[in-house]
Amino acid sequence: QSALTQPASVSGSPGQSITISCTGTSSDVGNYNLVSWYQQRPGKAPKLIIYEVSNRPSGVSDRFSGSKSGNTASLTISGLQAEDEADYYCCSYVTGRTLLFGGGTKLTVL
Amino acid sequence: EVQLVESGGGLVQPGGSLRLSCAASGFTFGSYAMMWVRQAPGEGLKWVSSISDGGASSYYADSVRGRFFISRDGSKNTLSLQMNSLRAEDTAIYYCARAMSYFRPPDYWGRGTRVTVSS
Repeated sequence: QSALTQPASVSGSPGQSITISCTGTSSDVGNYNLVSWYQQRPGKAPKLIIYEVSNRPSGVSDRFSGSKSGNTASLTISGLQAEDEADYYCCSYVTGRTLLFGGGTKLTVL
Repeated sequence: EVQLVESGGGLVQPGGSLRLSCAASGFTFGSYAMMWVRQAPGEGLKWVSSISDGGASSYYADSVRGRFFISRDGSKNTLSLQMNSLRAEDTAIYYCARAMSYFRPPDYWGRGTRVTVSS
């Protein structure tokens, strides 16, 4: 498995909610609560927005939330704002002492 | 404030070598695992290598194992990546990142250093 599976793109209007999925296997997402989500704006470094499936670092808006069911983790952004337009990546530990990222999802705020 | 500042990137010919460095500050360096993650032009993030908090254990992606070597110097709060036998497909921005432990996704990232492998 070369990457966790994410949709290539999602879009929503300001004020709406969107959800980005991250599908793995029982060797990664399904077996560990070690899923993080990152926001990456163009030309910038990734920023942690969710860790351990559903926890928000200090300073991250509560409009961002995470969850997991089986082999799929999800990131939900509520009350979409123009500033949320960015690429989003999930990441999980994989049995065998490695990390695996998702392919990334481009969020467009219409 | 946590700061990770990468350096050492540049243009190198296929088959050549390059050594990346990451200067860490604002936290107890020896209490965290460190890693390198890369991003090829227009592509997603790919984990490259991790090293445990004490430096005793290191891990590599299959694509770089045997060519890249990660190390850390606790006296200088510095992380390094020695890259040998470079290939065109190693062209990417290389990010230094820290994590609570080697099996956890990173929490802080540097701004990256660009590596271009081309003749």
